[in-house]
Amino acid sequence: GENVEQHPSTLSVQEGDSAVIKCTYSDSASNYFPWYKQELGKGPQLIIDIRSNVGEKKDQRIAVTLNKTAKHFSLHITETQPEDSAVYFCAASSSGSARQLTFGSGTQLTVLP
Amino acid sequence: DGGITQSPKYLFRKEGQNVTLSCEQNLNHDAMYWYRQDPGQGLRLIYYSQIVNDFQKGDIAEGYSVSREKKESFPLTVTSAQKNPTAFYLCATKFGGPFSGNQPQHFGDGTRLSIL
Repeated sequence: GENVEQHPSTLSVQEGDSAVIKCTYSDSASNYFPWYKQELGKGPQLIIDIRSNVGEKKDQRIAVTLNKTAKHFSLHITETQPEDSAVYFCAASSSGSARQLTFGSGTQLTVLP
Repeated sequence: DGGITQSPKYLFRKEGQNVTLSCEQNLNHDAMYWYRQDPGQGLRLIYYSQIVNDFQKGDIAEGYSVSREKKESFPLTVTSAQKNPTAFYLCATKFGGPFSGNQPQHFGDGTRLSIL
């Protein structure tokens, strides 16, 4: 089955700096890669996703890049703010009809004021 | 997500007891999922259902059971056979049935289950 590895597990940045979180996946047939943000005591919230037919997608301060050849994808947050502090999860969708998501282990992002 | 309601928010289980976690949605989504989240780990899939009256085991189904009698509801029962049930349980939904292609999953705010 699919295996998703996520790095780093913790990340601290100064307010205004950029943050980058990286994920690798094992199943070359995976074709959908969402990113979720989870605040304490809440469920994950989708912040951006990318499909395998594009290499990059941007939404204001958030961008995701995908390298299908290397089987890795990354989340980039620019101009970080304290409210960006949360746990971020990457995921990859399986190629079967059930389209299951396999999640990375999460990155605790702390934005220091 | 406002359209997915999980209850209760906190639940305590005694030894040998079955407990049921509720998940209700008003998004008219076909697919529903149950995940378990342990500290410092990602989400692991327990069960999923793509249509009413059908459900499939995920990666860690042992000690759990589900039903899908209505489109809006997908309750999860944690049985006494689950020896380590303490975790944060998340319900998710997704638009479309089995052949709808990749769509994002939307999550409720979870139920935290603890052992007494």
